[in-house]
Amino acid sequence: EAAVTQSPRNKVTVTGGNVTLSCRQTNSHNYMYWYRQDTGHGLRLIHYSYGAGNLQIGDVPDGYKATRTTQEDFFLLLELASPSQTSLYFCASSDGEETLYFGSGTRLTVL
Amino acid sequence: GEQVEQLPSILRVQEGSSASINCSYEDSASNYFPWYKQEPGENPKLIIDIRSNMERKQIQELIVLLDKKAKRFSLHITDTQPGDSAMYFCAASAGGGNNKLTFGQGTVLSVIP
Repeated sequence: EAAVTQSPRNKVTVTGGNVTLSCRQTNSHNYMYWYRQDTGHGLRLIHYSYGAGNLQIGDVPDGYKATRTTQEDFFLLLELASPSQTSLYFCASSDGEETLYFGSGTRLTVL
Repeated sequence: GEQVEQLPSILRVQEGSSASINCSYEDSASNYFPWYKQEPGENPKLIIDIRSNMERKQIQELIVLLDKKAKRFSLHITDTQPGDSAMYFCAASAGGGNNKLTFGQGTVLSVIP
């Protein structure tokens, strides 16, 4: 099974703070995704990537940047965090054959 | 973009009975429909999927039905057990390799012993 590791597991910051969420996958998957999970909204796609240096905009990109530095590493950046970005964030990877493998999630709280 | 609606948001059933979750989608180009299960404190995991060339698929106690004309698909869990208690998400994708899944809002299933 694909291994997707997220860090940190929990993060608390203040409004206006700068946050970076990290994701690493070790199964040579080309596709990586950042989702946020909120009650009543399910999983919503923020950004995704086809490979190193590639970035695609998802469905809820406002307030987020992302960068794919290598095939393994995908980062989500919140440069001016707001309370509306308090959420559970999941990274996922895929080899393009449609199954998503999710990490364990990062719970972000913006005070 | 694609929109996926999922109902109900909360479902409580007695152990041994059946549970049904329904989803609808808007994009007629969608051709892949997976279901993910998320246990408390865990990440979502794929449990079953169906492609547009099929109308029904069964894996053990899980049955997925797809009605392309109505743009609806559903998950049926027969003979539910306490271990089936979890959050369930449906999703839809137009494929094409980018696997840009659009998820439904989720259903919290509780199986009462």
